[in-house]
Amino acid sequence: GQQLNQSPQSMFIQEGEDVSMNCTSSSIFNTWLWYKQDPGEGPVLLIALYKAGELTSNGRLTAQFGITRKDSFLNISASIPSDVGIYFCAGLTTFGNEKLTFGTGTRLTIIP
Amino acid sequence: EPEVTQTPSHQVTQMGQEVILRCVPISNHLYFYWYRQILGQKVEFLVSFYNNEISEKSEIFDDQFSVERPDGSNFTLKIRSTKLEDSAMYFCASKPGQTYEQYFGPGTRLTVT
Repeated sequence: GQQLNQSPQSMFIQEGEDVSMNCTSSSIFNTWLWYKQDPGEGPVLLIALYKAGELTSNGRLTAQFGITRKDSFLNISASIPSDVGIYFCAGLTTFGNEKLTFGTGTRLTIIP
Repeated sequence: EPEVTQTPSHQVTQMGQEVILRCVPISNHLYFYWYRQILGQKVEFLVSFYNNEISEKSEIFDDQFSVERPDGSNFTLKIRSTKLEDSAMYFCASKPGQTYEQYFGPGTRLTVT
């Protein structure tokens, strides 16, 4: 089946630092979504990407849809304590194929 | 802002018992989903539902699982005879037509003893 690998698996940063994480796949996706999950909660949608090469921002978050359609990147600028959580990428192959394939997740921890 | 809601937040059941997990999707959404997440792992697709029927299901969604939209608002997942390995967080999600963006509920933690 399709696999999405995220790196790094975990990050320990100080408040105010910028964060970069990525998601790679062996197969092509036509849509990429980025979610954040807090402990014991459901995934919350952050950003949706629809076109190869697309760069989209949502506040301090910026995500890119890789040109090959096999990867995506998420950047967080000037991290704050509420950014702590697990970030998942999720891919869709075609509209009509409804299932989201989730990545392995990147756990972000902010060191005081 | 409208949200997907799920009940109960935590369900404890004994192996072999039936459980029904309930979801109220966002009201104008047309597509409904169930996913599960075993502790510490990634979220996995179970089933999608549109126009009152299953549109896709995963290998996990075997004969022990069923879904139903009994009225205009609820969407349920039934596990007929629970197994220990069914212990997980179960998430309901929904989306409107013509977009790709799925919105998730807070989840039901199912513990099978």
